[in-house]
Amino acid sequence: DAKTTQPNSMESNEEEPVHLPCNHSTISGTDYIHWYRQLPSQGPEYVIHGLTSNVNNRMASLAIAEDRKSSTLILHRATLRDAAVYYCILRDPYSGNTGKLIFGQGTTLQVKP
Amino acid sequence: DGGITQSPKYLFRKEGQNVTLSCEQNLNHDAMYWYRQDPGQGLRLIYYSQIVNDFQKGDIAEGYSVSREKKESFPLTVTSAQKNPTAFYLCASTAGRTNEKLFFGSGTQLSVL
Repeated sequence: DAKTTQPNSMESNEEEPVHLPCNHSTISGTDYIHWYRQLPSQGPEYVIHGLTSNVNNRMASLAIAEDRKSSTLILHRATLRDAAVYYCILRDPYSGNTGKLIFGQGTTLQVKP
Repeated sequence: DGGITQSPKYLFRKEGQNVTLSCEQNLNHDAMYWYRQDPGQGLRLIYYSQIVNDFQKGDIAEGYSVSREKKESFPLTVTSAQKNPTAFYLCASTAGRTNEKLFFGSGTQLSVL
């Protein structure tokens, strides 16, 4: 299974942009890159996903490197409510192992007022 | 509203006892998952099911059992063989083999008396 690597923790100031990196050097051509975030004592929630092109939604932007070996989740203006653990995972909808979704330890984002 | 429901929110287990965690979804999703999360750690996959009456072991299946008799239900039993069951348990579902996002329940905190 393709794996992802993320920094253990990052800090940001409120109202500033945050760039959360994810390395996935063994990504296959059909793997989608998904991001989820988890607040304390809650289940993770979906943030964004993409395949090759950069993606934007109301929560965040996803920038995907041209070789697809890395990606960056961008929060344009961090708020205190964005403090969470952010997970980057790969999903291959065409693989026989499509069900085995592996989460790493994620990046703990701290937002300072 | 469609969603995924886990119950109970808190559960206590006596030594040698089996306990069952409930997970129900009304999203008409084919695939369902159970993850375990220890304090300060990421999610580890216990079992997953891509279709009714079929399921596969994840990375830490020992001491756990599941069933998938109905599409909307995927209960997890923590058996007495699981010697360190204290953890936060998360259930998730997705539409399956297409590129769909994961939906998570709010989790069950299991503790040993």
